[in-house]
Amino acid sequence: EDQVTQSPEALRLQEGESSSLNCSYTVSGLRGLFWYRQDPGKGPEFLFTLYSAGEEKEKERLKATLTKKESFLHITAPKPEDSATYLCAVCGTSGTYKYIFGTGTRLKVLA
Amino acid sequence: DTGVSQNPRHKITKRGQNVTFRCDPISEHNRLYWYRQTLGQGPEFLTYFQNEAQLEKSRLLSDRFSAERPKGSFSTLEIQRTEQGDSAMYLCASSHEDRGLKQYFGPGTRLTVT
Repeated sequence: EDQVTQSPEALRLQEGESSSLNCSYTVSGLRGLFWYRQDPGKGPEFLFTLYSAGEEKEKERLKATLTKKESFLHITAPKPEDSATYLCAVCGTSGTYKYIFGTGTRLKVLA
Repeated sequence: DTGVSQNPRHKITKRGQNVTFRCDPISEHNRLYWYRQTLGQGPEFLTYFQNEAQLEKSRLLSDRFSAERPKGSFSTLEIQRTEQGDSAMYLCASSHEDRGLKQYFGPGTRLTVT
């Protein structure tokens, strides 16, 4: 069965202190791996889709990378407005287009 | 795109009552998903429609839960005989099969069962 594990569960950073979030996954075959940002009380907001190992995507201070077993979300020089929960999800090739989410990493960036 | 909308945004009900939520996906999106999310957890897959066909339903989903998408547009999720454990955020997402795998989420419906 497809699984996603995210670490750490929570992370506190000082403004400008770069770090990485991890998403480990197991799937029989990968259709895509997704990163979302979720603010409290709101629905997840799409950030990136990665399709194959070696792929990288960037958006402002965020960069997502993918290997055959895990993905990293690198946050460079974060700002307080980057504080949110970051969710990772996979869509595997077995069966229908079902998405499995991890439990997320709660990021707090202190000014 | 006007975005995915969900109604109501909040629902408080007494244990044993039935509730129904509505999701309006982005126009022309043919895939529609329902998820449940509790505090500190990621979204948990409930069910998935392609057009009007319900293609998959979570094995964890009680028979008290039912979803429909009668004309391949909006969808409803009904919970019968609610229990306190049903308290959660219910999220809807949509996507189009010809536009990649990206899902767009609605704002969710917060259910509280007292």
